[in-house]
Amino acid sequence: GAVVSQHPSWVICKSGTSVKIECRSLDFQATTMFWYRQFPKQSLMLMATSNEGSKATYEQGVEKDKFLINHASLTLSTLTVTSAHPEDSSFYICSASNRQGYFTEAFFGQGTRLTVV
Amino acid sequence: GNSVTQMEGPVTLSEEAFLTINCTYTATGYPSLFWYVQYPGEGLQLLLKATKADDKGSNKGFEATYRKETTSFHLEKGSVQVSDSAVYFCALRGTQGGSEKLVFGKGTKLTVNP
Repeated sequence: GAVVSQHPSWVICKSGTSVKIECRSLDFQATTMFWYRQFPKQSLMLMATSNEGSKATYEQGVEKDKFLINHASLTLSTLTVTSAHPEDSSFYICSASNRQGYFTEAFFGQGTRLTVV
Repeated sequence: GNSVTQMEGPVTLSEEAFLTINCTYTATGYPSLFWYVQYPGEGLQLLLKATKADDKGSNKGFEATYRKETTSFHLEKGSVQVSDSAVYFCALRGTQGGSEKLVFGKGTKLTVNP
């Protein structure tokens, strides 16, 4: 299967600072990328869907000014958590898909553990 | 809208036991169906998939058959190992293909004891 690399794997930051998480598709063109948040012992909550070159579509209840998503190229999407607070501490996971339909499944990054202190 | 209902865990088995994790779905048309596995502290890995009715996905001894008549995609393994301990997610993707979001079940935690 295709490889999606997410960086960093974990990060600790102070309240009020911003954190950027990168998601790269290493061997295919990711026309669509998805960002999820996962709380302990729970399923994945979709935060937003981004198509290359256009604005992200956010799920209801997700603050787009707080969780900035950029998908400027076919191999890179970034999620920036702005003015982070302890309640933003979570496991963030990205996934990538190819619109051309060769891959019907999504490929996932390894996740980023964010801890805000 | 599309939805996935997955057997709630946790499930605890002894090594070499038979595993079944039930998954049923609600969707229009003919969605693609998936099982993903998540090991502790990691992202999700695709375990198997099926894209049309009566397809059987299989990988690493796990199997699941796309049953349109019962709208089900139950995961089975004949003999589990300790290394199979993980959280398993059933998911579907609608007919719009790669640009459409996955809909996940809530996940089932499996623990296999030696």
